[in-house]
Amino acid sequence: GDSVTQMEGPVTLSEEAFLTINCTYTATGYPSLFWYVQYPGEGLQLLLKATKADDKGSNKGFEATYRKETTSFHLEKGSVQVSDSAVYFCALRDLAAGNKLTFGGGTRVLVKP
Amino acid sequence: EPEVTQTPSHQVTQMGQEVILRCVPISNHLYFYWYRQILGQKVEFLVSFYNNEISEKSEIFDDQFSVERPDGSNFTLKIRSTKLEDSAMYFCASSQRQGQAEQYFGPGTRLTVT
Repeated sequence: GDSVTQMEGPVTLSEEAFLTINCTYTATGYPSLFWYVQYPGEGLQLLLKATKADDKGSNKGFEATYRKETTSFHLEKGSVQVSDSAVYFCALRDLAAGNKLTFGGGTRVLVKP
Repeated sequence: EPEVTQTPSHQVTQMGQEVILRCVPISNHLYFYWYRQILGQKVEFLVSFYNNEISEKSEIFDDQFSVERPDGSNFTLKIRSTKLEDSAMYFCASSQRQGQAEQYFGPGTRLTVT
């Protein structure tokens, strides 16, 4: 079945550092790919998405490119802020397998001033 | 901005008891979902619901679980006889339609079974 693997955390960074969170996936169809973020005490919020190969999703300075050849969707941000401290989840939706989201394990990011 | 709400934020129950977790989806959304996250594990899909019927369910969603939309606003998840392994964070989500539509998540209910 479909699966998502992302790097384990926690990832601890200083403010203005470069952030990369790796995400790879396995899917039988042609999935859409997502990054969700969960701030403390809140629900999962969609951060960005890409629906086909080579699409780049971007939002709030974060970017991720859908790489079909490497089955990857790595999240990057060039200069993190303390407010980016959160848990980040990579996810896919394979419409051939239904409407559900399949999530990775989440990566906790802590940005220190 | 409209949001999905869930109550309670934390529920403690004894093994064998029934619990009902409540969700109020965004008002013009038609598709509703429950997911759960056991501590330290992945967020897992449980069930999706549309037009007063279950449209998809996972292997986790066995006969102990049921969902209902008792009125025009609430969407509930019932666990009939809780087990220790049901302890998890339960997330409700809703979307306006299927396919590429975004699923909006609530803040979750932490269920602790003792």
